Amino acid sequence: EVQMLESGGGLVQPGGSLRLSCAASGFTFSNYAMTWVRQAPGKGLEWVSSISGSGGSTYYADSVKGRFTISRDNSKNTVYLQMNSLRAEDTAVFYCAKELYGDFRDWGQGTLVTVSS
Amino acid sequence: DIQMTQSPSSLSASVGDRVTITCRASQSISNYLCWYQQKPGRAPKLLIYAASTLQGGVPSRFSGSGSGTDFTLTISSLQPEDFATYYCQQSYSTPYTFGQGTKLEIK
Repeated sequence: EVQMLESGGGLVQPGGSLRLSCAASGFTFSNYAMTWVRQAPGKGLEWVSSISGSGGSTYYADSVKGRFTISRDNSKNTVYLQMNSLRAEDTAVFYCAKELYGDFRDWGQGTLVTVSS
Repeated sequence: DIQMTQSPSSLSASVGDRVTITCRASQSISNYLCWYQQKPGRAPKLLIYAASTLQGGVPSRFSGSGSGTDFTLTISSLQPEDFATYYCQQSYSTPYTFGQGTKLEIK
């Protein structure tokens, strides 16, 4: 069974940093791109970042470029999202998803990030 | 960036109804279109990819069609568990973009 388990969310002050983790199981992790998607409270879905299976290619939404960094450790079946210079508008549930050709096939349960003083 | 526009934004329907949701892309995306279902407090679930291919385990009452810029999601006979929010998403190019969602409510 495919599973993704996100962790690392929490309350952080504006300008602060947070690192999200997503531990995956049930599939050959290195064969798949991985993606982070977020959802602000009461709002729709927003793609944040993707990373190729090898980790050699990364992609970012303009809203997070230069502030967020996606990475992966294929030996640990884990993808990360390092978030710096956080803003109130980054408050959201962050989901990780297993990606295939731009389709998000399987999702984790999400982790809530709240940016507030 | 490719803009995705869904209509309607909300929809009231009854169990057994046939429902259609539309998604329009701001430029041609061939068939690189997915549909997701999201229930409150839950992660989205992929229903359809490549515009018309049903994800494994998804009931056959769900179907998708379209190519280029215009796409539809149809539920042939609404069941109680189908009341949720539905999103389209283009998988043609980054930045991947979603429609704003269609909330399907019980009439």
